[in-house]
Order: sequence, then C-alpha cells, then structure tokens
Amino acid sequence: DSGVTQTPKHLITATGQRVTLRCSPRSGDLSVYWYQQSLDQGLQFLIQYYNGEERAKGNILERFSAQQFPDLHSELNLSSLELGDSALYFCASGQTNEQFFGPGTRLTVL
Amino acid sequence: QKEVEQDPGPLSVPEGAIVSLNCTYSNSAFQYFMWYRQYSRKGPELLMYTYSSGNKEDGRFTAQVDKSSKYISLFIRDSQPSDSATYLCAMTHSWGKLQFGAGTQVVVTP
Repeated sequence: DSGVTQTPKHLITATGQRVTLRCSPRSGDLSVYWYQQSLDQGLQFLIQYYNGEERAKGNILERFSAQQFPDLHSELNLSSLELGDSALYFCASGQTNEQFFGPGTRLTVL
Repeated sequence: QKEVEQDPGPLSVPEGAIVSLNCTYSNSAFQYFMWYRQYSRKGPELLMYTYSSGNKEDGRFTAQVDKSSKYISLFIRDSQPSDSATYLCAMTHSWGKLQFGAGTQVVVTP
C-alpha cells in the first residue's frame, strides 16, 4: 500500500459526459501528479500540483483540468468525454524522483 | 522518435535466471533515472532511482546508468515467479515531469 488513495476504482460513462476523479496524497506530501495510462500511449504525465499551485504540465488536453485543495487532495476533471479517453488514470505523490502511485481509476467511455 | 525507448517484450526467463532490462534515451538533459514495477492493473511501484552514472544495488536489483551512451539498465538476480510484472523505466530533467518508457513485460517461469 503506497498510502495514496484514489476514488472511484472504476467509472463507466458515455461519450460527451463529464467525470471527476479524486486523489488523496500520502500524509505529508505536498505534490500530486496525474498520469494517464493507455495501451497505445503508455504512461503519460498530465499535470502536477504542489501545495495548491500548478507546477508542471504535460500532454493534458484542454477538456481536462485539475486542482488541488487546501487539504492537499486533488481532483482531475474530464469533460466532453470521447471513446479515446478510456484509460487508467493514476495519481502519485512525493518528490519528483520518488513518486508513490495510487491504485488508479479505470475509466471506460462507451 | 520517442524520448525514451524500451523494448516491450515479453521477456521470458526461467526461475533463478538474471533478468536484464534496458532503456535508451535521446535527451541529454535527463538527470534522474528510475525503475518502476507494475503488476497487472495495479499502480506502478518505485524500485530504484539513480542520479549519476554508475551502478546502484538494492538486494537482488542493480541499476546502471551510462549517461555518455544514454543507456540505463536494470538487472534482477535470482529471479522469482513473483518478479513477473511489467518494468517501466522513467527519467526526468525538470520538476515533476517524468518521462516513462513503454514498459517491458517480464515472465519468470517456475
């Protein structure tokens, strides 16, 4: 158990819908990172927040957004969902070179 | 061309053999190099990280970095069936943004 929690574990929704994924970092970690893992693209960095502020951005679509709240939990919002958004979404916390991953949320868009 | 190249395998070895994994990269600015292990449908788990060229050992695992050749390796000695997983290399040159390889699937047969 990494100490990072993610909810929900599974999410099934339809195209065009909006979903919110939630992540709670390990106790004491100020950074949260979001990743998308799909069969064709592998594990892709989306975005990082540090103590409530956006710190780094990867290949995150404009339809996707994230935020980190004062209690340090983070949410990833995915809107106007497309079939290609079906993937595993992970969050991680910790230092850049020592990230601890949560169990992931499996998103299926039908 | 991808910044990080990793052979996806699968790599099948008999129990007790040495598993040899490697990644090549093109960006000479990468500073930190990591190896993660991912069991099916689970979050990646950090095995080792290194900063400089050379070897680093941790139990049955040895990580090697050759910055001059832009090449990193992970060796697993005395492999066990429980080592069967996907192994991902990762590297970074800036705050938060990890670049992952595609992952190599390893199967250790009893």
